[in-house]
Amino acid sequence: EVQLVESGGGLVKPGGSLRLSCAASGFIFSDYRMDWVRQAPGKGLEWVSSIDRPSTYIYYADSVKGRFTTSRDNAQNSLFLHMNSLRVEDTAVYYCVRESFLYNWFDPWGQGVLVTVSS
Amino acid sequence: QSALTQPPSVSGSPGQSVTISCTGTSNDVGGYNRVCWYQQSPGTAPKLLIYEVTNRPSGVPDRFSGSTSGNTASLTISGLQAEDEADYYCSSHTSRGTYVFGTGTKVTVL
Repeated sequence: EVQLVESGGGLVKPGGSLRLSCAASGFIFSDYRMDWVRQAPGKGLEWVSSIDRPSTYIYYADSVKGRFTTSRDNAQNSLFLHMNSLRVEDTAVYYCVRESFLYNWFDPWGQGVLVTVSS
Repeated sequence: QSALTQPPSVSGSPGQSVTISCTGTSNDVGGYNRVCWYQQSPGTAPKLLIYEVTNRPSGVPDRFSGSTSGNTASLTISGLQAEDEADYYCSSHTSRGTYVFGTGTKVTVL
């Protein structure tokens, strides 16, 4: 079964840092691009970042560029999101998703992890 | 990158059809046949419903269908069922190599 499990969420003060992890299983991790998508409480989905298979091309939403860094470890089947200079508006559930490069779909989605930025 | 525009809500009685629009620009929806639709029930992660504008993954009922015209994509739910009550989001690849989601539409089954 294809599975994505996020971890590392929690409460952090504005200006603080946090690292999210996503453990992948049930598929050949190194064959897929991976993404992060977030959803603020009661709000819609917002694409955050994508990383290609060899970590050569990494893209970010304008809202997080320069503050967030996406990385992956293909040997450990893991995806990471390093978040710095966190703002209140970064409060959201963060989802790890597998991306199809050919069809540009996101499937499956992890269960999500909540990041709360508050003083 | 601005979010794609969707109506906040649509509703219909069981058995009826509803259509959700998703309007973007030539840099996203209109420029690529890469529009996807996702269904999100309360408290759960989104689920892929439609990809490449019209294709359904295995297991998705054929009452869900997609189409596109210019910069607008559409999702139609035919023969609406109570279990279809959820939030629906469109997404598209963009000319910048990024992705953009729609603003989301809440479907209510009356």
